[in-house]
Amino acid sequence: EVQLEESGGGLVQPGGSLRLSCAASGFTFGGAAMHWVRQASGKGLEWVGRIRSKANTYATAYSASVKGRFTISRDDSKNTAYLQMNSLKTEDTAVYYCTPGGVSGSYFPGWGQGTLVTVSS
Amino acid sequence: DIVMTQSPDSLAVSLGERATINCKSSQSVLSSSNNKNYLAWYQHKPGQPPKLLIYWASTRESGVPDRFSGSGSGTDFTLTISSLQVEDVAFYYCQHYYSTPYTFGQGTKLEIK
Repeated sequence: EVQLEESGGGLVQPGGSLRLSCAASGFTFGGAAMHWVRQASGKGLEWVGRIRSKANTYATAYSASVKGRFTISRDDSKNTAYLQMNSLKTEDTAVYYCTPGGVSGSYFPGWGQGTLVTVSS
Repeated sequence: DIVMTQSPDSLAVSLGERATINCKSSQSVLSSSNNKNYLAWYQHKPGQPPKLLIYWASTRESGVPDRFSGSGSGTDFTLTISSLQVEDVAFYYCQHYYSTPYTFGQGTKLEIK
């Protein structure tokens, strides 16, 4: 069974930084792309970005709204993915989920409970 | 970027009746190399993580009741719930995974009439 546990959320001031972690189990972590998706309160789901596997050169991609400010990384030895968030804005306030891509495509069959990030002064 | 537009934004259906949610992409998400549509549907209830219902536009995820079905190709897709149950009250989202950035529709709120 796929299990994902996000952590590291909290309250941060605008312009600040935060690093989220995603501990994964129940699947071959090293072979999976890992994605981050967020949902602001009262808003819809927004894909944030992804990091591919070592076999795919750890390639990353990001949404336009976070590109240049957020960085996704992974430590396959710890089965953990990370989301480094810099230059945070109030509009980054959201619940952040990590999710592995599907076996054959970037749909998302497994989700954690998410971690809340609040950007406010 | 591919823009996903769902309709309607909200929908009220009587118990046991059919619910239909539409999703339109701004460009085709059908791959000519494998003839697959890179389109998924999710159910999202408040306080819970999203749940994958359908992928490849019409493949039901394991464990999803067969009252949920997906159809369509190219740019126009539909999620159908054949007989609405109380537990189906939720938000529903389509998502393309044809190319990055992968984007979701704005969501459809499904309620009981």
